[in-house]
Amino acid sequence: DTAVSQTPKYLVTQMGNDKSIKCEQNLGHDTMYWYKQDSKKFLKIMFSYNNKELIINETVPNRFSPKSPDKAHLNLHINSLELGDSAVYFCASSLVTGFSPLHFGNGTRLTVT
Amino acid sequence: KNEVEQSPQNLTAQEGEFITINCSYSVGISALHWLQQHPGGGIVSLFMLSSGKKKHGRLIATINIQEKHSSLHITASHPRDSAVYICAVRSNFGNEKLTFGTGTRLTIIP
Repeated sequence: DTAVSQTPKYLVTQMGNDKSIKCEQNLGHDTMYWYKQDSKKFLKIMFSYNNKELIINETVPNRFSPKSPDKAHLNLHINSLELGDSAVYFCASSLVTGFSPLHFGNGTRLTVT
Repeated sequence: KNEVEQSPQNLTAQEGEFITINCSYSVGISALHWLQQHPGGGIVSLFMLSSGKKKHGRLIATINIQEKHSSLHITASHPRDSAVYICAVRSNFGNEKLTFGTGTRLTIIP
C-alpha cells in the first residue's frame, strides 16, 4: 500500500490554465505538507496543514490555494499558471508537526509551456 | 547565505569506501533531518535527530548541537547508495517549517 500518494505524476499544461494536484496519505498522520523543488533541486516549504488547519503559509503567490477536506487529504490548486511554476511538487506527511520523520509522495513534475 | 550549508556538493567514490557528508546550520534548532532523493526522484527520510548519534544499517548520523553541525556517514558504500542526500533543520523558534540544504550528490562507482 502506498503511504503518501499524489496524482498526477506528470502534468504538462499551458500558461494561464488552472490545474490541481491531489495528495492522500493512509498513515493516520495529523500533518501534511506541500513542498516545491526547483530546477536546482532546492526544496522549499509551501504549505503545512495540521488536522485540516493551515499552520504554515510561506511566501507563495495567492494563485496557489491548498485545500484539506480531511486530515488524510491535502490538494493543491494552482490558478493562472506561469512558466516559473514549472517544478516538482512534493506532498509529505508526518505524525506530529516538526518532531516526526517525513513521509514523501513521489512528486508531481509540472511543466508549464 | 543559506541557513543550511552542505558539503561537498558533489562526491564520487569507489564502491566500499567510507563516505562522509557534512551539514552546517546557523540557527538554533530542535531537530535535524537527513533525506535521500533517489535518481528517480523519490524522497526518503533517513534520520531525524536532535542530539547524539543514530545508526541504521550502514548509515550513521551524528549531530553536535554546540557546533551546529551534523554528519551523515555511509560505511561500505555501494552503487545503490548513489543519490542526493539532503539535510534539513527545524528552527527552535518561529514556525514549524523545515529549512533545507542544497543537497550532496553522491555517486558510487562499482
